[in-house]
Amino acid sequence: EAGVTQSPTHLIKTRGQQATLRCSPISGHTSVYWYQQALGLGLQFLLWYDEGEERNRGNFPPRFSGRQFPNYSSELNVNALELEDSALYLCASSLDLGTANQPQHFGDGTRLSIL
Amino acid sequence: DQQVKQNSPSLSVQEGRISILNCDYTNSMFDYFLWYKKYPAEGPTFLISISSIKDKNEDGRFTVFLNKSAKHLSLHIVPSQPGDSAVYFCAASGYTGGFKTIFGAGTRLFVKA
Repeated sequence: EAGVTQSPTHLIKTRGQQATLRCSPISGHTSVYWYQQALGLGLQFLLWYDEGEERNRGNFPPRFSGRQFPNYSSELNVNALELEDSALYLCASSLDLGTANQPQHFGDGTRLSIL
Repeated sequence: DQQVKQNSPSLSVQEGRISILNCDYTNSMFDYFLWYKKYPAEGPTFLISISSIKDKNEDGRFTVFLNKSAKHLSLHIVPSQPGDSAVYFCAASGYTGGFKTIFGAGTRLFVKA
């Protein structure tokens, strides 16, 4: 069974640009989560998508947005990039919550560097 | 708003001894708790979980204890092995203004051979 895959592995941008990060969940998983891990910090919850809809978002500005496609893959878009957006962005997937309390399975992340 | 806290940034343990990693949470709405392990350049890997209706869950060398009254959970690894050296994240899930999972900042475990 293929795990969660994220692309690209590394992304270098400059301030003010826009970044798009992609995630493919484990087959059969309908929920996709995005987290930001800045240097020295834990995982900060960004967004949760399920069945194509945004279900919840963390305490991040609106320039962080995303979507989930019919095949359950997901994109995270970050507009007007700032230096402090430099971080590891992790995507996770899980079975839908109708099956209750499912652990999330993570990809290896996209390292976003803002110059 | 640190709802999940791991107060020890690092822990060093001798091989064969017990490793105890601690985690505190503040929100009583959390009803599911998880531990993840993370190696460098890899995503976190699910290790073990516990529901709020239990106080202990065991899986091989790993045991998680939950003390709801103290809002505290711990992960015991015994015996510790050098391959256990990694960052361990505690996480709590529940409906707190919408369903979410909140992660602690992590504890880096060093197991010395």
